[in-house]
Amino acid sequence: AQSVTQLDSQVPVFEEAPVELRCNYSSSVSVYLFWYVQYPNQGLQLLLKYLSGSTLVKGINGFEAEFNKSQTSFHLRKPSVHISDTAEYFCAANTGGFKTIFGAGTRLFVKA
Amino acid sequence: DTAVSQTPKYLVTQMGNDKSIKCEQNLGHDTMYWYKQDSKKFLKIMFSYNNKELIINETVPNRFSPKSPDKAHLNLHINSLELGDSAVYFCASSQDTQGGNTIYFGEGSWLTVV
Repeated sequence: AQSVTQLDSQVPVFEEAPVELRCNYSSSVSVYLFWYVQYPNQGLQLLLKYLSGSTLVKGINGFEAEFNKSQTSFHLRKPSVHISDTAEYFCAANTGGFKTIFGAGTRLFVKA
Repeated sequence: DTAVSQTPKYLVTQMGNDKSIKCEQNLGHDTMYWYKQDSKKFLKIMFSYNNKELIINETVPNRFSPKSPDKAHLNLHINSLELGDSAVYFCASSQDTQGGNTIYFGEGSWLTVV
């Protein structure tokens, strides 16, 4: 069965430092991968997604992610974070069917 | 204009009551969803409709009943509310059922059962 594992439940980081949020998925077939962000008291919004082609995907707000098929990973990175990046980040996967599976979320907390 | 709008945003009610949450999307999408997010932020799909037809019905108590009068609306009715129903409920939509589509979420409805 398809699953998504976010390896860190919380990631504290200082402002202007780089950050990586880790995501692994399990799927024996082709997969679409997503990162969504949820700011406090709001719904989720798409940061970026991988459908096919280049394994490095760039998204909004300076985030990027790299699809690694051999390691079944889709880690999210940002070279320099801001206070405003404090939010919950969700990795998600879909194998082409009706259902998108979400990871448990990673809380990014950016400290001044 | 809000793409996916749901009402009410906050709902506090007593155990045993019946309540509804309404959802509308103005994106012209064919597919709509209800997700439940618990206190630990875990997000779980409950239902999905495509062109008013139910396509996903996860293991949800039958006290929860979705209704889609047209493809722009998907409402959620909950009977006999229990303490464990307290959560944030998100309505969402996507262009269609293709797996690579972006899911657009509403801002959530915070349900507290006391």
